[in-house]
Amino acid sequence: QSALTQPPSASGSPGQSVTISCIGTSSDVGGYKYVSWYQQHPGKAPKLMIYEVTQRPSGVPDRFSGSKSGNTASLTVSGLQAEDEADYYCFSYAGNYNYVFGSGTKVTVL
Amino acid sequence: EIQLVESGGGLVQPGESLTLSCVASGFSFSDYWMTWVRQAPGKGLQWLANIKHDGSAEYYADSVKGRFTISRDNAKNLLYLQMNSLRAEDTAVYFCASHTRGATDLWGQGTLVTVSS
Repeated sequence: QSALTQPPSASGSPGQSVTISCIGTSSDVGGYKYVSWYQQHPGKAPKLMIYEVTQRPSGVPDRFSGSKSGNTASLTVSGLQAEDEADYYCFSYAGNYNYVFGSGTKVTVL
Repeated sequence: EIQLVESGGGLVQPGESLTLSCVASGFSFSDYWMTWVRQAPGKGLQWLANIKHDGSAEYYADSVKGRFTISRDNAKNLLYLQMNSLRAEDTAVYFCASHTRGATDLWGQGTLVTVSS
């Protein structure tokens, strides 16, 4: 169960958009609709931002959106705000009741 | 208040065992699959195990299969993670979380386990 591949870092200025990729295989990201995204601030527990590829939990701003194409899932944060600076992780079902996280991406708001 | 609170972390020596607990409140614990996730210092998240809502089935990451056991007591709203033969590389913050629709939606604050002689 190798971690899904995410870029180590991404950045953008306030108001801009940033997109984070999550590259897997047909056995995980590409094979199922169960891809989710988490935001984690330093010293805090992760927070669910997107589930089932595109769905936003109640209370998550619509600036956060998810998508998937083939074996790659993506999280886009539009209208970047200072509080969006955090680590972001993707998470995918990998079959046989197994799951795998992405390697994580540190988003910096310039 | 809907929350999960982990406990049981601490300093243990290599080879020893430790059991973590997670108490749930504010929601119908017995309706939810539950998950343990860990994060080594300065590292990413790692999924460890899931357990069905009724405790009838458990699933593990290969890295902990055979050493870790997830269990639950729905009457007490408690989730457990028994960890045996601990190694230095098991040093991490351990989070419990509820699991639904293929995602972990409610997380505890985590408990730190340090494995060192």
